Amino acid sequence: AQSVTQLGSHVSVSEGALVLLRCNYSSSVPPYLFWYVQYPNQGLQLLLKYTSAATLVKGINGFEAEFKKSETSFHLTKPSAHMSDAAEYFCAVSDGGGGADGLTFGKGTHLIIQP
Amino acid sequence: GAVVSQHPSWVICKSGTSVKIECRSLDFQATTMFWYRQFPKQSLMLMATSNEGSKATYEQGVEKDKFLINHASLTLSTLTVTSAHPEDSSFYICSAAHTGNTEAFFGQGTRLTVV
Repeated sequence: AQSVTQLGSHVSVSEGALVLLRCNYSSSVPPYLFWYVQYPNQGLQLLLKYTSAATLVKGINGFEAEFKKSETSFHLTKPSAHMSDAAEYFCAVSDGGGGADGLTFGKGTHLIIQP
Repeated sequence: GAVVSQHPSWVICKSGTSVKIECRSLDFQATTMFWYRQFPKQSLMLMATSNEGSKATYEQGVEKDKFLINHASLTLSTLTVTSAHPEDSSFYICSAAHTGNTEAFFGQGTRLTVV
């Protein structure tokens, strides 16, 4: 069974500072991994995905994530936080090891940007 | 990217009534659709997976007689919450994928409030 652990339910950073959101996964098959962002009362927007190609994945809005198999991690980073980055972030792993499968989500990390 | 539309965006219904939520893939054929539930300030939980023309597969603990899912065409899946009660109030999100996709595409979600 797949599982996702997001360390830190809340992360607070200053505007312009580095953003680091942690995600560790467990998967019985080679994983497909995703990061999504959710703004209040809205659906999910895909930030980036890992599908067994390059281990460093670049996404939208300046975010990127690195797949580290040895650490079973897929941490999300952004060099310089912007006020508009304040939102809920979810890491997810594909249940079946493919993109078109159900997802198991982490509990989410609420990112707070301090002015 | 592919577009998935959910309707309605929000709905309020009386306890004991049934509510239908639609999920449409607007520009691709969705062989598989997924339904998720999200409680306030919590993560998304996969409720069921539906393949066009087949019965839905429900996750453990999800009442199939309570949450009726129909995937009658390659562009439409519906979730009907039957005899709704206040504890069914939640944010319901669908996603859709075509075989071979590297990701599923999410709708904008439906906020259900049962009074």
